[in-house]
Amino acid sequence: AQSVTQLGSHVSVSEGALVLLRCNYSSSVPPYLFWYVQYPNQGLQLLLKYTTGATLVKGINGFEAEFKKSETSFHLTKPSAHMSDAAEYFCAVSGTYKYIFGTGTRLKVLA
Amino acid sequence: GAGVSQSPSNKVTEKGKDVELRCDPISGHTALYWYRQSLGQGLEFLIYFQGNSAPDKSGLPSDRFSAERTGGSVSTLTIQRTQQEDSAVYLCASSLKLGGTSGRADTQYFGPGTRLTVL
Repeated sequence: AQSVTQLGSHVSVSEGALVLLRCNYSSSVPPYLFWYVQYPNQGLQLLLKYTTGATLVKGINGFEAEFKKSETSFHLTKPSAHMSDAAEYFCAVSGTYKYIFGTGTRLKVLA
Repeated sequence: GAGVSQSPSNKVTEKGKDVELRCDPISGHTALYWYRQSLGQGLEFLIYFQGNSAPDKSGLPSDRFSAERTGGSVSTLTIQRTQQEDSAVYLCASSLKLGGTSGRADTQYFGPGTRLTVL
């Protein structure tokens, strides 16, 4: 069975600081991994995904994530936070024809 | 092109009433998914469709919940005799195909959701 753990339900960073959102997964097969962002009162928007190949994945809005099999992790990073990055972020692993989501991390960006 | 659309965007109903939530997937997407997002529960899988058939209904919380898909396109999620614990945001997603032979889900594209409030 697959599962996802997102450490930290709330993360605060200063504008311009590094953003690091943590995601660990469990999967009995090589995983497909996803990060989605949800702005207030909106649906989920795909930030990036890992399926196979290069373990460092670049996404939209300057975000990237690195798949580390040995650590079963897929942490999301951005070198410099912007006020517009304030949102909720969800990590997901592909289960059998469906996603298994983490509980989400709400990112707050401080001016 | 157009993304996934859902209607209504908001629905307020009284306990015991039936509600229907609609999802229009991206044109050409064969797979369609329903998820529920509620406080304290995160994002829960409800059901998925491949074409008009639903191979996995395991996430439907009770027999008050049902869903159908017609013409390989529009889907309707119906909740009968609504309860206050049904209050949540119901998200629909679609993908070009269900997934590969490995069974892992293809990339899903989400609609804006329907916020259901049961008084």
